[in-house]
Amino acid sequence: KAGVTQTPRYLIKTRGQQVTLSCSPISGHRSVSWYQQTPGQGLQFLFEYFSETQRNKGNFPGRFSGRQFSNSRSEMNVSTLELGDSALYLCASNWEFFGPGTRLTVL
Amino acid sequence: KNEVEQSPQNLTAQEGEFITINCSYSVGISALHWLQQHPGGGIVSLFMLSSGKKKHGRLIATINIQEKHSSLHITASHPRDSAVYICAVRSAGNQFYFGTGTSLTVIP
Repeated sequence: KAGVTQTPRYLIKTRGQQVTLSCSPISGHRSVSWYQQTPGQGLQFLFEYFSETQRNKGNFPGRFSGRQFSNSRSEMNVSTLELGDSALYLCASNWEFFGPGTRLTVL
Repeated sequence: KNEVEQSPQNLTAQEGEFITINCSYSVGISALHWLQQHPGGGIVSLFMLSSGKKKHGRLIATINIQEKHSSLHITASHPRDSAVYICAVRSAGNQFYFGTGTSLTVIP
């Protein structure tokens, strides 16, 4: 089985822009969860999607949003980027299988 | 308030030593995860536990639901075990809380 894939792997944006990150879970897995990792805050839970519905959400502002498609691929979007959004964004398939992450740098 | 507390924060061991990392949590959980993260960022899930004990090779994870405590043991540690180990709990409401991690260095 192919693992969890995330695209892009690296991204540089400027403040005020928006960004969309993609996560393809393991085939057959219906749950995709998203996380942010920063040196200061560590790992934090963003949200989880299951069968195209957001089931749970962490404590992040509304600038962070996501969606899931019928093939279980998920996207997360961050609007009006701030410097503090620079982080490694990870997704996981069925809570257990993590992708390699997207490293976002906001300048 | 941290829902998940890990100890120690840093650990240095000689190759071959037995290692224990502890995790305490304060919420009701549906599962507890032990994660391993190497430099470069990639995270590997080592164990997912809801009760008892699991073993995989030289790694053993235990959980005591009544005491809200879990331990990760590494027997016969090896330099390739050097990584950050993170305890994470999935609450009954499907929120996910992470410990701050234990940075392990195993010296040959």
